[in-house]
Amino acid sequence: QSALTQPASVSGSPGQSITISCTGTSSDVGGYNYVSWYQQHPGKAPKLMIYDVSNRPSGVSNRFSGSKSGNTASLTISGLQAEDEADYYCSSYTTSSTLVVFGGGTKLTVL
Amino acid sequence: EVQMVESGGGLVQPGGSLRLSCAASGFTFSSHAMSWVRQAPKGLEWVSAISGSGGSTYYADSVKGRFTISRDNSKNTLYLQMNSLRAEDTAVYYCAKASDSSGYYFTSSDYWGQGTLVTVSS
Repeated sequence: QSALTQPASVSGSPGQSITISCTGTSSDVGGYNYVSWYQQHPGKAPKLMIYDVSNRPSGVSNRFSGSKSGNTASLTISGLQAEDEADYYCSSYTTSSTLVVFGGGTKLTVL
Repeated sequence: EVQMVESGGGLVQPGGSLRLSCAASGFTFSSHAMSWVRQAPKGLEWVSAISGSGGSTYYADSVKGRFTISRDNSKNTLYLQMNSLRAEDTAVYYCAKASDSSGYYFTSSDYWGQGTLVTVSS
């Protein structure tokens, strides 16, 4: 069982917005602004989409945004496009002896 | 262009050893912490990280005492020595570059290699 909880799947139609949640505890998501989000297409390496809760690396579309409230972080994708269909993983620093934890991943389907 | 190329994966029997390598290019290697992250068969699991200088190392509980991370900044290469391998270590292993350039923080990784498959089976 993953340390961070994500929904197994979400879906949306092209042009719509969706939000993926990532729930942890005060020892990880809630206690530090070190939440990242990764996109992974089948057979490919993960790609960093958001770091430090809400920062976008250069080259990542501004359709992707991140936020946090309490122990839950969220990734919002606006103006859904077919190429957004992928698995999305959140990660966070944690005070446990394993310093970085991931969520179980969310499969985004663009209908 | 930033590139990381992993090598060294393969089939190994339980209790055996493997050494993974990750050759990096396109950035100042010594300025960035580096991590190993594995995936089996779906979810991602952080395995280990090392500071830019190599002076600090960190491990997940699941591999502590069995795996050793190291780096050679003169060769721009990251390593993972894996001993006492178990079936549950079977995964694709990725090396990943920390997005922070202080050399210390590794909570986010902005470039990943293509991964190398490690299979532990008799």
